[in-house]
Amino acid sequence: GAGVSQTPSNKVTEKGKYVELRCDPISGHTALYWYRQSLGQGPEFLIYFQGTGAADDSGLPNDRFFAVRPEGSVSTLKIQRTERGDSAVYLCASSFGTGRNEQFFGPGTRLTVL
Amino acid sequence: SQQGEEDPQALSIQEGENATMNCSYKTSINNLQWYRQNSGRGLVHLILIRSNEREKHSGRLRVTLDTSKKSSSLLITASRAADTASYFCATDLSGGSYIPTFGRGTSLIVHP
Repeated sequence: GAGVSQTPSNKVTEKGKYVELRCDPISGHTALYWYRQSLGQGPEFLIYFQGTGAADDSGLPNDRFFAVRPEGSVSTLKIQRTERGDSAVYLCASSFGTGRNEQFFGPGTRLTVL
Repeated sequence: SQQGEEDPQALSIQEGENATMNCSYKTSINNLQWYRQNSGRGLVHLILIRSNEREKHSGRLRVTLDTSKKSSSLLITASRAADTASYFCATDLSGGSYIPTFGRGTSLIVHP
């Protein structure tokens, strides 16, 4: 079976532009997480979905960041008016059930804002 | 703020030696997980240990959990060059939401 996939693998954009990052979780996994990881740091939680709804979005840094999961499967992380400080690797993970289980991570999207 | 913190930040050993990494956390947890990350991309789950467990094994990996000291250790025995990676602990807060919180990681280099 396929693992978690993320597209694109790399994204270079200019400051002020809008970007969308996509995550395809493992089929049947109801929990989906987005993290952001800067160099030398651990993954930083952004948002957690249980099904279609955002169960916890307390990690989103500001209102430029938004994520959706309209059918409870694929999720899109959207960043408006990108800033250089948004440059990082954006990781998606999914897990079965409530989320207190093993998370399966995608390979990440490396976002570079020039 | 980060719940879990790994120690040491960096570890360099020779192939065949054992590697021990530690994780300390601040508040009560439901479970603690260890992950490995190669080349700054996707993380791979290694072991999950629940708060009522004290030790778990998986192949060359041994994880211990001491809830009284709020700490965990990951031991890799007979290390190989392929074990070179960053290792993270993630804690899931007791009574909190289901959000694993990661530390900054230990960077392990195993020299062949």
